[in-house]
Amino acid sequence: DAKTTQPTSMDCAEGRAANLPCNHSTISGNEYVYWYRQIHSQGPQYIIHGLKNNETNEMASLIITEDRKSSTLILPHATLRDTAVYYCIVMPGENAGNMLTFGGGTRLMVKP
Amino acid sequence: DTGVSQDPRHKITKRGQNVTFRCDPISEHNRLYWYRQTLGQGPEFLTYFQNEAQLEKSRLLSDRFSAERPKGSFSTLEIQRTEQGDSAMYLCASSPTMYSYEQYFGPGTRLTVT
Repeated sequence: DAKTTQPTSMDCAEGRAANLPCNHSTISGNEYVYWYRQIHSQGPQYIIHGLKNNETNEMASLIITEDRKSSTLILPHATLRDTAVYYCIVMPGENAGNMLTFGGGTRLMVKP
Repeated sequence: DTGVSQDPRHKITKRGQNVTFRCDPISEHNRLYWYRQTLGQGPEFLTYFQNEAQLEKSRLLSDRFSAERPKGSFSTLEIQRTEQGDSAMYLCASSPTMYSYEQYFGPGTRLTVT
């Protein structure tokens, strides 16, 4: 599996967009980019995933560069409840059948 | 749908004792996963089941660890002769099928070995 690199921590002002970057320079053609987050004292929660096109759902947007070597998760209007550790995961195939390989993630602190 | 549940939520045990954790996945989810998370780290995969069959085990799962899913519904994770290094959060997740793109996680069981 390709490795991912994320900043250890980031701050964001409440109501502003939070842009969380992820580098996955060794990603291969059949590997998808997944994002999960983990709010304190809870289990991880799926956010979004994509292959090469940009994706958007009710929680976030995922922007993947054309060369697929990096991506950005965008929370358009961050709230205090978005304070969490965000994990970028690369996994072969568009299914959760395999194990998830979590890295260290980015600790996002949303401040009032 | 009440989500993935785990029991107990917290467990304190003395070194050398055996402990067992239970995970109840979302109803009719075929896949069930166990992960372990130590403080400040991301979760690490331990093992997973397709119905009652255990399909893969991580090298992290030493001989002291055993997991079962006898009827393809709930699962148990047992740790024998606990060591202080076993102190961690043990997370369970489930997904409807192997083709589903989302794993649903429970709240975890926090184990403290004294």
